Amino acid sequence: NAGVTQTPKFQVLKTGQSMTLQCAQDMNHNSMYWYRQDPGMGLRLIYYSASEGTTDKGEVPNGYNVSRLNKREFSLRLESAAPSQTSVYFCASSGHRATNEKLFFGSGTQLSVL
Amino acid sequence: EDKVVQSPLSLVVHEGDTVTLNCSYEVTNFRSLLWYKQEKKAPTFLFMLTSSGIEKKSGRLSSILDKKELFSILNITATQTGDSAIYLCAVRGGSNYKLTFGKGTLLTVNP
Repeated sequence: NAGVTQTPKFQVLKTGQSMTLQCAQDMNHNSMYWYRQDPGMGLRLIYYSASEGTTDKGEVPNGYNVSRLNKREFSLRLESAAPSQTSVYFCASSGHRATNEKLFFGSGTQLSVL
Repeated sequence: EDKVVQSPLSLVVHEGDTVTLNCSYEVTNFRSLLWYKQEKKAPTFLFMLTSSGIEKKSGRLSSILDKKELFSILNITATQTGDSAIYLCAVRGGSNYKLTFGKGTLLTVNP
C-alpha cells in the first residue's frame, strides 16, 4: 500500500539545469498537487490538477511546469533551475477537490540548486 | 486573498505539559479546516473540522473550530517527546476549493 510515491528523494542541480520530479499515487484519487516548503513559510501550492487532463496554477507557479500524465501520475518540471528554487517539494493527492477530503502527501524531495 | 495565521510560531515545553496551538483564518467560501503533524518528512493528517463547536478527539489530541470567530485550536495534553513536530493548519475554501496552509507551529517537547 504505497500511497503517494515521489522520486527522487534528494537532488542537487547547478543553476540553469533542468529536471523533472515524478509523483504517482495508487489510491485512485482525482486531484493531485505540488507544494514547496521553505523554512518559516509553510506549504505553498505550485500547481494542481483537479482531474486527469486538467492543470491549474497555484500561488507560486513561476519557473515550473507540470504534466498530468494519467490519473496516477503528476510530474513537476524545472526548465532552468535557479537558487530560489532550493526547497523541499511535496506531491499530494486527494479524492476530489470539491469535496472535503484530506490530502495524502508523498515523502518529499529535497532539492538544492547551486 | 485567503489567509491562515498560526500562533505561536514556535513553542518549547516539558514532558507532561499541556499545549494549545492556534489557527485563525480569513477564507472566502469556507469549507473545512484541517490539522496536520509534520515530523521529519511528509505531513500526516490529524483532524478535519467543518462544523462549529464540535470537538474532534484522538487520544491526547483534540481540536475545535469556531466559525463565527474564524479560528481553531489544537490541544495536546500530557505532552511526550514524540509530540515534537511542526503542526500545520490548512483551510479549504475559495471558488476553487483551494487548501491554504499556515506557516506552522514548531513544537519541541523536552524530557
